[in-house]
Amino acid sequence: GAVVSQHPSRVICKSGTSVKIECRSLDFQATTMFWYRQFPKQSLMLMATSNEGSKATYEQGVEKDKFLINHASLTLSTLTVTSAHPEDSSFYICSAPGASSYEQYFGPGTRLTVT
Amino acid sequence: RKEVEQDPGPFNVPEGATVAFNCTYSNSASQSFFWYRQDCRKEPKLLMSVYSSGNEDGRFTAQLNRASQYISLLIRDSKLSDSATYLCVVKESNTGKLIFGQGTTLQVKP
Repeated sequence: GAVVSQHPSRVICKSGTSVKIECRSLDFQATTMFWYRQFPKQSLMLMATSNEGSKATYEQGVEKDKFLINHASLTLSTLTVTSAHPEDSSFYICSAPGASSYEQYFGPGTRLTVT
Repeated sequence: RKEVEQDPGPFNVPEGATVAFNCTYSNSASQSFFWYRQDCRKEPKLLMSVYSSGNEDGRFTAQLNRASQYISLLIRDSKLSDSATYLCVVKESNTGKLIFGQGTTLQVKP
């Protein structure tokens, strides 16, 4: 089936630095990708919808200037966490919808730790 | 009120037991419903879609009650490998967004 990859799988960074996470659709094109965040023992929370060729749509409460999303091609979306703080430490997962209503392909996730 | 609500558990059951999870959703216009499974520190994986007519896949049965806005998952003859968190998910028709419940943790013990 379709595959979505994420890179890096794990990153540790210092407070105040920026981290870029890549999400790629490997064998299909994705005009839309979704970015989620999951804190320990909590569910996935949608952060934003990434749209190829246009601005991302952010969910309420998510700072667009802090979480920069770029969807420059039909197979790549990036999420940059700017000026990271320890409270940004979380599991970040991207997904891309498939052709049918039940298909949603998830990346393996990126575990971010900010020290 | 959360858009998708689940009992977080944990549910601790012996091997071979039957266990049922429930979920309610608040948006009556929702059209697509799913159960996902998530193992620790991994991405969620689709377990099955949920329909009003019911959906059975081996030991797993999912059911949707639109009138009550209620979704269920039944697992029969539990295996150790069923231990995971089960996420109730509702898809918004107009945006394609997936709304996740908190998840219900199942621990199957020998």
